[in-house]
Amino acid sequence: EPEVTQTPSHQVTQMGQEVILRCVPISNHLYFYWYRQILGQKVEFLVSFYNNEISEKSEIFDDQFSVERPDGSNFTLKIRSTKLEDSAMYFCATGLGLTDTQYFGPGTRLTVL
Amino acid sequence: EDQVTQSPEALRLQEGESSSLNCSYTVSGLRGLFWYRQDPGKGPEFLFTLYSAGEEKEKERLKATLTKKESFLHITAPKPEDSATYLCAVQDQTGANNLFFGTGTRLTVIP
Repeated sequence: EPEVTQTPSHQVTQMGQEVILRCVPISNHLYFYWYRQILGQKVEFLVSFYNNEISEKSEIFDDQFSVERPDGSNFTLKIRSTKLEDSAMYFCATGLGLTDTQYFGPGTRLTVL
Repeated sequence: EDQVTQSPEALRLQEGESSSLNCSYTVSGLRGLFWYRQDPGKGPEFLFTLYSAGEEKEKERLKATLTKKESFLHITAPKPEDSATYLCAVQDQTGANNLFFGTGTRLTVIP
């Protein structure tokens, strides 16, 4: 069964450093999402991406964040200058259509020191 | 703003002891309600999607139902492997397609 994959599984970085989190969506899916989950808290929406542009973003997704699909397969989330409060699990999700089920990847645990 | 409240926060059951998890929601027009299972340190695993009041979906020991204000996830004769956090999420009709999650119910099934 096709699945969403994410790399790395765990990323440790120093505050102020840039990080790039990578996702390989399910091959025929058209809608891509990033969510995050701070330890012990609920899953929160960051951004949705369709047709090579951002379709929606939350208040969390400020100028420090960016997304792109550089090569038609990978979908990336970049955090330009990490803060301590960016420490969380970051999940990529993909869906076939606008109202279709979103399938989540295993997540990247980001630790900012 | 969309709101999703799940109860109880945690639930301990003996193996074989059936129960229900609740998800109450407030949304400006429901496009879909989703149930996911999440194991520790893992991503949410899709279980069910419900679109309209009265709809029911079943999978093995799980059954999800939907009314205009809440959804229930019924667990019949649970086994220890059903232990996980169960997440409820809604998608509204405003045009945004993001999911709005509740905080989840942490289920522990004791052998």
